[in-house]
Amino acid sequence: AQKVTQAQTEISVVEKEDVTLDCVYETRDTTYYLFWYKQPPSGELVFLIRRNSFDEQNEISGRYSWNFQKSTSSFNFTITASQVVDSAVYFCALSEDEAAGNKLTFGGGTRVLVKP
Amino acid sequence: ETGVTQSPTHLIKTRGQQVTLRCSSQSGHNTVSWYQQALGQGPQFIFQYYREEENGRGNFPPRFSGLQFPNYSSELNVNALELDDSALYLCASSERLGAGAQGIQYFGAGTRLSVL
Repeated sequence: AQKVTQAQTEISVVEKEDVTLDCVYETRDTTYYLFWYKQPPSGELVFLIRRNSFDEQNEISGRYSWNFQKSTSSFNFTITASQVVDSAVYFCALSEDEAAGNKLTFGGGTRVLVKP
Repeated sequence: ETGVTQSPTHLIKTRGQQVTLRCSSQSGHNTVSWYQQALGQGPQFIFQYYREEENGRGNFPPRFSGLQFPNYSSELNVNALELDDSALYLCASSERLGAGAQGIQYFGAGTRLSVL
């Protein structure tokens, strides 16, 4: 069975600080995808990134960066120089089972509060 | 904006009633997935529809059912509502790319259901 754990329930930072969100996953499959989504107060889940299990290269997109380490089953997300608009709940998710429609299994989320 | 629209945005029902939630998928997407998100938790996969047939189901009872129409829009029906059904219901659309490969799931803003 697949499982995603986000141990940090809430992180509070002051604007311009960096913040790192941890994600640990469990899966028996060798082929799988990992995701990060952002959920602002409006409720809509906003897609941020998808990585497949064969691509361990770290990725940077603007102020966002992701560190994928298969050895520790982790897919961590860092926001550099945080801004108030980054305040949201962030979800890590795993998809592995094509027969089940590639369902997403989500972690419990980490609420990020960026104070001015 | 993702182009995935859900209606209604809010709904209040009483225990035992039935409810229908609607979702219009993003243009070009042929697959719709439904998720239930209880307050303070990550979304849970309910089921997915592809070519008007259910293609994968999570751990939800049969009173949760769905439909997909030829234009790829979808409905989620819940019968015999219970208090624990109170949640945000999220719809996601994606493109099935062939050989089981699934594109990224893009979410709507959800329908918030309150069961009294």
